[in-house]
Amino acid sequence: GENVEQHPSTLSVQEGDSAVIKCTYSDSASNYFPWYKQELGKRPQLIIDIRSNVGEKKDQRIAVTLNKTAKHFSLHITETQPEDSAVYFCAAVASGGSYIPTFGRGTSLIVHP
Amino acid sequence: DVKVTQSSRYLVKRTGEKVFLECVQDMDHENMFWYRQDPGLGLRLIYFSYDVKMKEKGDIPEGYSVSREKKERFSLILESASTNQTSMYLCASSQTGTRETQYFGPGTRLLVL
Repeated sequence: GENVEQHPSTLSVQEGDSAVIKCTYSDSASNYFPWYKQELGKRPQLIIDIRSNVGEKKDQRIAVTLNKTAKHFSLHITETQPEDSAVYFCAAVASGGSYIPTFGRGTSLIVHP
Repeated sequence: DVKVTQSSRYLVKRTGEKVFLECVQDMDHENMFWYRQDPGLGLRLIYFSYDVKMKEKGDIPEGYSVSREKKERFSLILESASTNQTSMYLCASSQTGTRETQYFGPGTRLLVL
């Protein structure tokens, strides 16, 4: 089955710095890669996603890149703000096949004012 | 806007008790999931269902069962609660198709004494 590795487990940055979270996956059938943000005490919510026919996707201060050959994808947050502090989960899904996402273990991002 | 609700936010039970956690979604989604969330372990899939009365085991089904009698409702049952089942339980739903985004409920924090 699919295996998703996520690094780092904890990331501490100063406000205004950039943050990068990296994930690798093992199943070449995976073709949909969502990222979820979970603020303290709240439910995980989708913040950005990318499909395997696209190399990069951007939404304001967040972007996701995908390298299919190397089987890794990354979340980039620029100009971090304290409200970006949360746990971020990556996932890999084989659309059209098993639609069950495999999640990474999560990254706790702390943005210091 | 998709709404996924869970019957309880917090629950305290005794070892050996039978525990019911209920999840309801209002978007006519085919797929429903139960996850367990523990620090450092991310989101682990317990059971999922892709249709009424259908269920499939996830990665950690031992000690749990599920029921899906109606499309909008997915119940997780702990037949005989044990202390190692103390955890946060998250329900999610998704639509099969071009977007496999998971929509999560607010979670139930279960403490088994």
